[in-house]
Amino acid sequence: ETGVTQSPTHLIKTRGQQVTLRCSSQSGHNTVSWYQQALGQGPQFIFQYYREEENGRGNFPPRFSGLQFPNYSSELNVNALELDDSALYLCASSFPLPTGLSGYTFGSGTRLTVV
Amino acid sequence: DQQVKQNSPSLSVQEGRISILNCDYTNSMFDYFLWYKKYPAEGPTFLISISSIKDKNEDGRFTVFLNKSAKHLSLHIVPSQPGDSAVYFCAASRGNNDMRFGAGTRLTVKP
Repeated sequence: ETGVTQSPTHLIKTRGQQVTLRCSSQSGHNTVSWYQQALGQGPQFIFQYYREEENGRGNFPPRFSGLQFPNYSSELNVNALELDDSALYLCASSFPLPTGLSGYTFGSGTRLTVV
Repeated sequence: DQQVKQNSPSLSVQEGRISILNCDYTNSMFDYFLWYKKYPAEGPTFLISISSIKDKNEDGRFTVFLNKSAKHLSLHIVPSQPGDSAVYFCAASRGNNDMRFGAGTRLTVKP
């Protein structure tokens, strides 16, 4: 059973650029959630995808967008990067119900630095 | 809006003693409460959860207590081991998405 894989592990981008982060969900999981973890803070919910459709969104601007593919892998796209976007981006996969009992399986994250 | 709060950024305990990590929440609609453990350079790992209809759940050395009237939960680790040293996140969910996390507590277990 493979876990959640994220790529790349580290990335440096310039302010104003666009970035795409990728995530392969754990085998059998059809729900993917993305989180942003700034330094010294807990993960903040960006959005969730279930069966290729957005299934909930946190308090993030529209320049944060995503996709989920038929194989349940997912992408997070961020346009017009700002310095405050520098953070660890975590992808988590799960079964749709009930996630509260078994929790999410997280990847190791992508460390994005915006300069 | 910080719906899940962990007010202690760090905790240090002696090996073999009890570790108690605390968490407070504000949204009474949360269905489930979870604890995650995070080592450096790794993603959070699910540890234990509790449904809002229960007040205690135990799994080996780990026990989570839920006090709904106080909107408070705690994680007890007994006995604490050096390998337990990590950052612990409290989380709460309503439905199947939008899981909210606290800021984390760094636990150090000294040999």
